Amino acid sequence: DIQMTQSPSAMSASVGDRVTITCRASQGISNYLAWFQQKPGKVPKRLMSVSSILDGGVPSRFSGSGSGTEFTLTISSLQPEDFATYYCLQHSSYPLTFGGGTKVEIK
Amino acid sequence: EVQLVESGGGLVQPGGSLRLSCAASGFTFSSLWMSWVRQAPGRGLEWLATIRQDGGETHYVDSVKGRFTISRDNAKNSLYLQMNSLRAEDTAVYYCNSGRSLGYWGQGTLVTVS
Repeated sequence: DIQMTQSPSAMSASVGDRVTITCRASQGISNYLAWFQQKPGKVPKRLMSVSSILDGGVPSRFSGSGSGTEFTLTISSLQPEDFATYYCLQHSSYPLTFGGGTKVEIK
Repeated sequence: EVQLVESGGGLVQPGGSLRLSCAASGFTFSSLWMSWVRQAPGRGLEWLATIRQDGGETHYVDSVKGRFTISRDNAKNSLYLQMNSLRAEDTAVYYCNSGRSLGYWGQGTLVTVS
């Protein structure tokens, strides 16, 4: 099984900060990586798939990069509505596996 | 508008069974792989199972293999998860998802095993 290691597990940031979250795969997954955002008490929402393709309606301040085993989600200027938990998902092979999550909190 | 609506959750005793359903609308259900994902209280996301468009291929996480069965009825635009031999650790919100990379999510249905 492919293990997905996300870092950091939690972070504090201020509105306007640039935020970077990393996801590392235990073996190469090409670009078969998706990112999800989950706000407290809400359903997870996919932000992007195949590493960097933003879903419709996702603000352009979100971007993704990476291939192989190292991936990053970047929020260029953190907004109040971005405080949430973020998860990566490898969809290269079964079993699909999520990272442990990164909780982005207000500093 | 894409809609996925889960139902069938509830309280069940350990060792019991439940069948979850997911009613899909707003897209061509028969053209997409479909999946189930769960989230235990206060925990992260766990993928459970995926089924191919025609139902001819399924995949499961080891923790539910042999206990859970994913199925679909394309004529009814519906996805199912039959859950047997339930354990306390199966307590979670169960989500229905579309596509190989889980593009759309239902609102979830809570399963409590106690």
